[in-house]
Amino acid sequence: NAGVMQNPRHLVRRRGQEARLRCSPMKGHSHVYWYRQLPEEGLKFMVYLQKENIIDESGMPKERFSAEFPKEGPSILRIQQVVRGDSAAYFCASSPEGGPSSYEQYFGPGTRLTVT
Amino acid sequence: GESVGLHLPTLSVQEGDNSIINCAYSNSASDYFIWYKQESGKGPQFIIDIRSNMDKRQGQRVTVLLNKTVKHLSLQIAATQPGDSAVYFCAENRAAGNKLTFGGGTRVLVKP
Repeated sequence: NAGVMQNPRHLVRRRGQEARLRCSPMKGHSHVYWYRQLPEEGLKFMVYLQKENIIDESGMPKERFSAEFPKEGPSILRIQQVVRGDSAAYFCASSPEGGPSSYEQYFGPGTRLTVT
Repeated sequence: GESVGLHLPTLSVQEGDNSIINCAYSNSASDYFIWYKQESGKGPQFIIDIRSNMDKRQGQRVTVLLNKTVKHLSLQIAATQPGDSAVYFCAENRAAGNKLTFGGGTRVLVKP
């Protein structure tokens, strides 16, 4: 059973460009979460999605950031007009639907975004 | 709490000794707690979890203790090995499907 997959693993963008980060949850998982991590810090929640629905986006910056989890295909975190402060590691996690195990979130390897 | 722009606290431990990593949480409504291990360049790896109706849970070489009175969580690693060198984060969750709130992390360095 493959784990959470993220791509690309490393992404370099110039200021003003767009960054698109992809996440495929574990098989059988229908909940996806995105987190951001700055060096030497803990992860900070950004957004929680289920298929075709945004459940909680309380951690998303108000501008330039958006996320989706379509009926088919991976979840996408999109950052428009990137700035240097967007440089970070972005992690995706997934959890199953319902039941005790739905508390558990399993993380992907992350995408390291560098804005030059 | 969170460390913003500060170096992570570091725990140096001799190989074979036991390690204890501590974490304070702030939300008394949290009902689920997880310890994650993060190696350099990798995503957080689930180690062990505990629900708020328990005060102790054991896994393979690891034990998590929860003290709700003082809102304190600890991770004990028995017979620490070089492969245990990593950053360890505690995280709390108020309900299934809610966001995880992470602590600031502790770096564990295992000396041979």
